[in-house]
Amino acid sequence: KQEVTQIPAALSVPEGENLVLNCSFTDSAIYNLQWFRQDPGKGLTSLLLIQSSQREQTSGRLNASLDKSSGRSTLYIAASQPGDSATYLCAVRFPNNDMRFGAGTRLTVKP
Amino acid sequence: DGGITQSPKYLFRKEGQNVTLSCEQNLNHDAMYWYRQDPGQGLRLIYYSQIVNDFQKGDIAEGYSVSREKKESFPLTVTSAQKNPTAFYLCASSIRRGGYEQYFGPGTRLTVT
Repeated sequence: KQEVTQIPAALSVPEGENLVLNCSFTDSAIYNLQWFRQDPGKGLTSLLLIQSSQREQTSGRLNASLDKSSGRSTLYIAASQPGDSATYLCAVRFPNNDMRFGAGTRLTVKP
Repeated sequence: DGGITQSPKYLFRKEGQNVTLSCEQNLNHDAMYWYRQDPGQGLRLIYYSQIVNDFQKGDIAEGYSVSREKKESFPLTVTSAQKNPTAFYLCASSIRRGGYEQYFGPGTRLTVT
């Protein structure tokens, strides 16, 4: 069964710290992987999309990496700010077109 | 402004009533999706549509119905047959189904008592 796991479920860090969020998936034959941000009670905002042929994508202070062989992706956030507080979800698209979402990591950046 | 709109933001219904959630997009996307989000769980796919007048069941379609009469619109009806309808419902769209980026609406929180 294709599953996506995000650990930890919650993370609290002081402002300015660099941090890494983890996403793991059970089937290495993926099509692509997408990282989203979700604020409380809101929809999902796409942050980065990594195709299976890519190793990483960068956008501003965000860097997402993909290691298909180990079934892992990480989202690196540099110099965290209180405005980064949100839930971060990863979603994996498998070759059968199924898209599976992790349960998310709830990030709190304390001033 | 291009995007996806969902209405209403909050919806309250009595048990046994059907309720329809609205989703509209002006992105000219062919594919549209409905997801359900419960606390502590990832999004689960209810239905998707690849093109007008076509739709397919997702992982948890029981108790739900959809229609796709227009490219821009993909309404979701939560029927009385859905055993646990209280949840946050998210609509999304993409250029086509497949490895394309999905764009999400703001969601509708449905509470059934």
